[in-house]
Amino acid sequence: AAGVIQSPRHLIKEKRETATLKCYPIPRHDTVYWYQQGPGQDPQFLISFYEKMQSDKGSIPDRFSAQQFSDYHSELNMSSLELGDSALYFCASSFRQAGQPQHFGDGTRLSIL
Amino acid sequence: SQQGEEDPQALSIQEGENATMNCSYKTSINNLQWYRQNSGRGLVHLILIRSNEREKHSGRLRVTLDTSKKSSSLLITASRAADTASYFCATDPPPKYSGGGADGLTFGKGTHLIIQP
Repeated sequence: AAGVIQSPRHLIKEKRETATLKCYPIPRHDTVYWYQQGPGQDPQFLISFYEKMQSDKGSIPDRFSAQQFSDYHSELNMSSLELGDSALYFCASSFRQAGQPQHFGDGTRLSIL
Repeated sequence: SQQGEEDPQALSIQEGENATMNCSYKTSINNLQWYRQNSGRGLVHLILIRSNEREKHSGRLRVTLDTSKKSSSLLITASRAADTASYFCATDPPPKYSGGGADGLTFGKGTHLIIQP
């Protein structure tokens, strides 16, 4: 079965640079979520989209933005990168209906030098 | 603030033994889910229990939920070396409005489980 696809798998940037992470949800899933997981930490919810509209917002910094496109893929844009942004970034998708599990991609490991 | 706190933070047992992990949360929930994460990899969904359920089974997994105590437990029976991973509970709040859908999950700190062969 198709899973959530994230790209790139690894990304190295320097401070103050920008980064764009991509996510391709499971076909027919209508909701996409972004999470950030720092080293040794639990995942923290950033933002979600339902049918291409922002649905819920978590602890996403103002330097980050995201959108979902007409083909349902989503991108997380990160600007003015800081050392503390080094983390695993996960995308998940699900059906919107409450009680449906979220399915996670393998994540993008972002390292800020 | 953290929703879920997991207990223990680390657990090491012998292969074949049972492993029990606990999770507590603070606010009202719609569902509670358990996920497994191998080192540096994505989270794999294990089982979901709804707020009106008390116990659920899936293969070697047994989950209980006590909404009065705001706690859940995950039991893995007959553990295998391949069960070595971090296990997280995650909660999602009730929908903001009637008919509304799921929002972002709040994860607990996780239990790192090591199965000794």
